[in-house]
Amino acid sequence: AAGVIQSPRHLIKEKRETATLKCYPIPRHDTVYWYQQGPGQDPQFLISFYEKMQSDKGSIPDRFSAQQFSDYHSELNMSSLELGDSALYFCASSFTLAGGYNEQFFGPGTRLTVL
Amino acid sequence: KNQVEQSPQSLIILEGKNCTLQCNYTVSPFSNLRWYKQDTGRGPVSLTIMTFSENTKSNGRYTATLDADTKQSSLHITASQLSDSASYICVVSHERRTGFQKLVFGTGTRLLVSP
Repeated sequence: AAGVIQSPRHLIKEKRETATLKCYPIPRHDTVYWYQQGPGQDPQFLISFYEKMQSDKGSIPDRFSAQQFSDYHSELNMSSLELGDSALYFCASSFTLAGGYNEQFFGPGTRLTVL
Repeated sequence: KNQVEQSPQSLIILEGKNCTLQCNYTVSPFSNLRWYKQDTGRGPVSLTIMTFSENTKSNGRYTATLDADTKQSSLHITASQLSDSASYICVVSHERRTGFQKLVFGTGTRLLVSP
């Protein structure tokens, strides 16, 4: 079965650079979520999109922005990178159904290292 | 404040033994509770999902229980295998009026199964 695809899997950037992470949801899933997981920490919700509109916002820094495109893939844009941005960035997708589980399926993650 | 706490923080067991992981939550309103297995550097993988009306749910050697009155859940692993070594995360879904569910992640239990 198709899973959530994230690219790149690994990314190394220097401070103050920009980075773009991509997420391709499971086919027919209409909702995408972004999470940041620091070393030894639980995932922190950043932002989500439903039908190309922002549906919820978590602890996403102002230096980050994201969007969902017409093909439902999403991109997380990170600017003015800081050392503290080094983390695993997970994307999850779900088919949003009111009253249902709305189970989120997670991608393999992108490991971002800021030097 | 919506919180999910897990215990123990880490656990070492011998291969073939059973173990039980605990989860306490204060998330309200409650929608459902999930247990995820997360291998190091990989995305969380769903093991079980339970709503408030479900007391027990099994997935192979994994059995989750839920007591919605005391807001406690447990994950029991039987006949542990080396491949069970991972972090186990309890995640509670926070019901939103909009229909979008926000996940509240627990702190995780790091399980090591030794030969």
